[in-house]
Amino acid sequence: RKEVEQDPGPFNVPEGATVAFNCTYSNSASQSFFWYRQDCRKEPKLLMSVYSSGNEDGRFTAQLNRASQYISLLIRDSKLSDSATYLCVVIYGGSQGNLIFGKGTKLSVKP
Amino acid sequence: DAGITQSPRHKVTETGTPVTLRCHQTENHRYMYWYRQDPGHGLRLIHYSYGVKDTDKGEVSDGYSVSRSKTEDFLLTLESATSSQTSVYFCAISETGGSGNTIYFGEGSWLTVV
Repeated sequence: RKEVEQDPGPFNVPEGATVAFNCTYSNSASQSFFWYRQDCRKEPKLLMSVYSSGNEDGRFTAQLNRASQYISLLIRDSKLSDSATYLCVVIYGGSQGNLIFGKGTKLSVKP
Repeated sequence: DAGITQSPRHKVTETGTPVTLRCHQTENHRYMYWYRQDPGHGLRLIHYSYGVKDTDKGEVSDGYSVSRSKTEDFLLTLESATSSQTSVYFCAISETGGSGNTIYFGEGSWLTVV
């Protein structure tokens, strides 16, 4: 079974803190990687794709380490509105049936 | 918004009754999916479709069937609902399938089987 593992948290951090999440995957043939954000009782929404060279979107930075088989998400200057569950997603091969979600990491940003 | 509508959004049904959830998209995307999400399990794929009348099973397909007679509609049927099927169900769509493709989710359907 192909696995995607995340620390479930919760990560409780103060506003303005920097927080990092890791996600490990078991299949070296994995091709595509994403981070999704899910608010309580809402649908998951795409936060950002993860590229081999790393990518940044404002306060968010995503990185991929193929050698160690993990992806990471860094959030700088945390806001109260960042409180949510963050899901990592890995796609194996070319079939959409091979899309695997992590169980999510819960982040709670406190005033 | 990704143009995905799920119905019903909330339903309570009795054990043994049939239930159909509908997913409707306005994006004309080829790929559609049904997931369920449960505490401790995350999102798990039930069935997916890669075109009209073309469907395949996912990780947790037992007890579920699907149909896709039109590009825009993907139906999930529980032939005889059981309490273990109490869950939140998410429909999702993607344009091309395969690696690098982005998936968009509907708002979810909360199903309680009593």
